[in-house]
Amino acid sequence: QKEVEQNSGPLSVPEGAIASLNCTYSDRGSQSFFWYRQYSGKSPELIMSIYSNGDKEDGRFTAQLNKASQYVSLLIRDSQPSDSATYLCAVNRGGSTLGRLYFGRGTQLTVWP
Amino acid sequence: EPEVTQTPSHQVTQMGQEVILRCVPISNHLYFYWYRQILGQKVEFLVSFYNNEISEKSEIFDDQFSVERPDGSNFTLKIRSTKLEDSAMYFCASSGRAEAFFGQGTRLTVV
Repeated sequence: QKEVEQNSGPLSVPEGAIASLNCTYSDRGSQSFFWYRQYSGKSPELIMSIYSNGDKEDGRFTAQLNKASQYVSLLIRDSQPSDSATYLCAVNRGGSTLGRLYFGRGTQLTVWP
Repeated sequence: EPEVTQTPSHQVTQMGQEVILRCVPISNHLYFYWYRQILGQKVEFLVSFYNNEISEKSEIFDDQFSVERPDGSNFTLKIRSTKLEDSAMYFCASSGRAEAFFGQGTRLTVV
């Protein structure tokens, strides 16, 4: 059973702060890692992908991957109220095609003004 | 910006009826997926589809479910003899080789 675990939260941070979201996964064969944002009642929206150990930055978002620890995280700098959503970690075995994604339950983030 | 589109956005059906959920994937994508999300639960994989055949399916995707690509643009999920527990958001997704993009979803309510 391939598990993806996230702190369910809710995580509450003030506007302008750094929000830190964490995810662990059980399948050591996982090669592709994704963060999706999901607003209430809406579909998952891809915000970051990461495939190699280390950090990957895109604007205010930084994804961090540590395959040895089976850990992936998402940092959101200068958090805005519009960042308030549930953040889903998704993991995949990768290879030549994407294939099935395994999702965590998500971490609910609230950014208050 | 290309996007995955799904119809209808909301479907109400009586228990035991058949429903067909429709999706138009991003035009240059070759891999298609259906996921579902029961209210308050995590997103769950149902099936993946490539080259006109199922490439992988989960334990949820039993004989009640089927998928089809009836033409060059649509991708459908058929649920036969719906049950109350089939009530969920159903998401279609498509990908090239690396990243999957989701449609806005169909909310299925079985009464």
